[in-house]
Amino acid sequence: NAGVMQNPRHLVRRRGQEARLRCSPMKGHSHVYWYRQLPEEGLKFMVYLQKENIIDESGMPKERFSAEFPKEGPSILRIQQVVRGDSAAYFCASSPAAGTEAFFGQGTRLTVV
Amino acid sequence: SQQGEEDPQALSIQEGENATMNCSYKTSINNLQWYRQNSGRGLVHLILIRSNEREKHSGRLRVTLDTSKKSSSLLITASRAADTASYFCATDESAAGNKLTFGGGTRVLVKP
Repeated sequence: NAGVMQNPRHLVRRRGQEARLRCSPMKGHSHVYWYRQLPEEGLKFMVYLQKENIIDESGMPKERFSAEFPKEGPSILRIQQVVRGDSAAYFCASSPAAGTEAFFGQGTRLTVV
Repeated sequence: SQQGEEDPQALSIQEGENATMNCSYKTSINNLQWYRQNSGRGLVHLILIRSNEREKHSGRLRVTLDTSKKSSSLLITASRAADTASYFCATDESAAGNKLTFGGGTRVLVKP
């Protein structure tokens, strides 16, 4: 059973471009979470999704950021018109149910130049 | 301080010694989880302790939870150089599920 798979591992974008980060949860997990980590800091919650539904997006910036978890395929975190401040590590986690252990992927390190 | 705040921020010990780090939080929680992160890597789940539990063990790890003091501790016994990492506590206080709130972490260095 493969773990949570994120790709790409590293992503470089110029200011104003779009970044698309992908997350495939562990097999059997229907709950997906996205977190952002700035250097030397802890993770900050962004969004919690179940299949085709956004349950909690209280940590998502109001503009430029969106997330989806379609019925088929991976969850996507999309950042439009990236700025330097978006440079961070973005982690995805999955769990089989709410309130259970969350398993994290290796993260996507986004660098905006 | 923030929800899920670890103390100390950094810890340096010799191999074989025990390492203890603490986590304080402010709101009621469903559970508290401890994670390890090696430099530049993802998070590894260590232990989940529920709000009605007081202590859990996993190998060389011991976690306690005191809901009256809103605090938790992680003890690593007989530390090894491979335990060098950052350790984060994360609290789940949401009704919907796993909206984890992480602290800033404790950076542990185990010297051989």
